Amino acid sequence: KAGVTQTPRYLIKTRGQQVTLSCSPISGHRSVSWYQQTPGQGLQFLFEYFSETQRNKGNFPGRFSGRQFSNSRSEMNVSTLELGDSALYLCASSFSGGNTEAFFGQGTRLTVV
Amino acid sequence: GESVGLHLPTLSVQEGDNSIINCAYSNSASDYFIWYKQESGKGPQFIIDIRSNMDKRQGQRVTVLLNKTVKHLSLQIAATQPGDSAVYFCAENLNSGYSTLTFGKGTMLLVSP
Repeated sequence: KAGVTQTPRYLIKTRGQQVTLSCSPISGHRSVSWYQQTPGQGLQFLFEYFSETQRNKGNFPGRFSGRQFSNSRSEMNVSTLELGDSALYLCASSFSGGNTEAFFGQGTRLTVV
Repeated sequence: GESVGLHLPTLSVQEGDNSIINCAYSNSASDYFIWYKQESGKGPQFIIDIRSNMDKRQGQRVTVLLNKTVKHLSLQIAATQPGDSAVYFCAENLNSGYSTLTFGKGTMLLVSP
């Protein structure tokens, strides 16, 4: 069974641009959560999607958004990029969310210059 | 100013020793916990989970202990191997309806041959 797949693995963008990251969950998993990992703040929750609906959102500005498609694949978008958005963006999939095992992808390393 | 990276506590052990990694979690209402292993350049890898109605759970070479009275988790790794060298995170789920993990700061485990 294939794991969680995130694309692209690496991205370099300039300030003010926008970026879209993609996550394909494990087959059969319907919950996709996104996290930001930085050296200063560690791993922080961005949002969770289930059945194409955002169920929960972390404490990030509105520049961070996402969506989920009917096949459970998810994208997250960051608009008007800032230097501080440089991070490893991780997605995790689980069967139904809640108290079920969550498996992570390899992440997308975003560098904003 | 320049952001300061998280100063991870480090546990250094010899190959073959047993390792114990500790974690204090934040919310007494959390009812689901996961330990992850993260190697450099990779996403977090699921190790073992435990629900709040349990105080101990065993996997292959790993045991997780949960003490709800003092909000403490530990991960025990038996016969530690060089391949176990990584950063270990505990994560708690604050809302059983959603997959919203709050992560600890992590502990770096260094295993010497």
